[in-house]
Formats: sequence, structure tokens, C-alpha cells
Amino acid sequence: DADVTQTPRNRITKTGKRIMLECSQTKGHDRMYWYRQDPGLGLRLIYYSFDVKDINKGEISDGYSVSRQAQAKFSLSLESAIPNQTALYFCATSDTVEQYFGPGTRLTVT
Amino acid sequence: QKEVEQNSGPLSVPEGAIASLNCTYSDRGSQSFFWYRQYSGKSPELIMSIYSNGDKEDGRFTAQLNKASQYVSLLIRDSQPSDSATYLCAVNVNTGKLIFGQGTTLQVKP
Repeated sequence: DADVTQTPRNRITKTGKRIMLECSQTKGHDRMYWYRQDPGLGLRLIYYSFDVKDINKGEISDGYSVSRQAQAKFSLSLESAIPNQTALYFCATSDTVEQYFGPGTRLTVT
Repeated sequence: QKEVEQNSGPLSVPEGAIASLNCTYSDRGSQSFFWYRQYSGKSPELIMSIYSNGDKEDGRFTAQLNKASQYVSLLIRDSQPSDSATYLCAVNVNTGKLIFGQGTTLQVKP
């Protein structure tokens, strides 16, 4: 079984809809991260959490929110999806600084 | 100025050759450095970590770090077509977050 899982793997949604992306890990890591990846723009950090009670904004948090439900679970929400949020979304975990990525969610907002 | 810079490529090498991938970073306080490999449509996979000046070898991969010149490189010996991917350089500035470069696309031609 994969150490870091993301659901759904693919999602098409309409503008204005609320959507949640979920991430679970069995690595026992305290730190979890959400990134988006766009062609030509690389990986950009949306939110990160160093433990269950810690939530921090990354460089592109506008339009997103997160919830850390447990050490193993970190969810990303798009409150009202817009087309420029179409991207590949990755969750990652770390014990210290080495980060391990989930398989990604391809999100399309029409 | 971008914090982590990589030549986007593509870098094309023949099978069996040495591929040399370079990365420069702007923050002199950077503590740890990572190379990730990402196949098209897949998630980044950690392949090398380096924390001190000099070379670190792991199989066909060698990471080289020069903090005075603020660069880190990845050498891939005996390149194989299966090495064709995008290689992401990532830098930690003692914050627990990684700053990623945009990646270099490597093409290994049979």
C-alpha cells in the first residue's frame, strides 16, 4: 500500500463549486504540505502543517483552505472553484525536511 | 531573482553518457538540498539529499554541493532512456519548507 494517498485522483468540476481534496499518510510524519503544479511554474506551496494544531499559509493560499483532521490526514478545500485553479495538486509529508509526495490529483475547473 | 534556478532544458544526452544537471540558489543560509525526479504526469520522487559540501554518491547518481558558489549539481552516469524525466532541485532554508526550482527536462536518446 502507498505511504501517501490522495483522493480523488482526477476531478472535473464547475466554476463556483466547493471541492475537497484529501490526503492520508501512513508514514507517521508530523509535517504535511499541499502544493499545486502548473506547466512552467513549478511546484508552489499552498498550505503546510507541522503538527495537528499548526496550520500555515504558503505562497499561494488565496482561494484555498485546509483542515488537519489528524496526524495522518490533511485536506485541501477550494471554497468556490475558478478555472485558474485547474492544476495538478500534490500532498507531501515529512519527518524533518525530506518530503515524500502523494500521487497527485488532477483538477479541472470548467 | 528566483530563489532556486535551473535551466529548463531539454538536456539531451546519448545513452551511456553522463548527464549533468545544475541548480543555483540565492539564500546563503540554505541548509539542505534535494534532487527529485518527476516522470510526466507523476509525482516527484526523492532521489538524492545532500547536506554538506562535496560529493555524495548513490549508485549511478552523484550529488555535488558547493555552498561558497551556491550551486548544487546532479550527475547521472551511464544514462539510460528510463532516466528521461524532469529533475527538480529543492532547497531548505532552515524553515522546514522546500523551495523548488522549475526543473530540468532530461532526454536520454537510445
